[in-house]
Amino acid sequence: AQRVTQPEKLLSVFKGAPVELKCNYSYSGSPELFWYVQYSRQRLQLLLRHISRESIKGFTADLNKGETSFHLKKPFAQEEDSAMYYCALSGSGGSYIPTFGRGTSLIVHP
Amino acid sequence: GAGVSQSPRYKVAKRGQDVALRCDPISGHVSLFWYQQALGQGPEFLTYFQNEAQLDKSGLPSDRFFAERPEGSVSTLKIQRTQQEDSAVYLCASSLGGRGQSEQFFGPGTRLTVL
Repeated sequence: AQRVTQPEKLLSVFKGAPVELKCNYSYSGSPELFWYVQYSRQRLQLLLRHISRESIKGFTADLNKGETSFHLKKPFAQEEDSAMYYCALSGSGGSYIPTFGRGTSLIVHP
Repeated sequence: GAGVSQSPRYKVAKRGQDVALRCDPISGHVSLFWYQQALGQGPEFLTYFQNEAQLDKSGLPSDRFFAERPEGSVSTLKIQRTQQEDSAVYLCASSLGGRGQSEQFFGPGTRLTVL
């Protein structure tokens, strides 16, 4: 069975500090991994996906198959980064049911 | 263009009442997903449509839950004889491609409260 774990329910940092939101997964095949973000009063939206290897809004995430992790990082947090972040996994091949983590609330203080 | 829309945005139902939740996906999107999101949790998969075909309904919690997408566009999630544990936000998402590997575009959700 596939599983996504986000160990931190809440992460609180000051503006300009580095941020790392943790995501660990369990999946027997080759996973497709995503980070979704939900800003206050907005809908859930895609932030980035591992296959595109992009940096969006200064965020990056590297898939580490050895550690089965896909942590989201940003070197200098901004107040506008405050939001709910969800890590999600979709299996390749036949298993496509998306599985989401419980989410991490990021608060960036001025 | 318009994104995914859902209606109603809020629904209060008395225990035992039937409810119907509507999702209008982005035009031309093949895939449509329904999720249930309880307070403090991430979205939990309920069911998946590829065009009008319901390819997976393994996440539906009981036979009181039923979903359809008869013409491959608008979808309705119906819950019969609602129970308090059905209280949650119900999210709909659509994507251009098949399966779950394309970017999903989410609707605003319907918050269901069962009294």
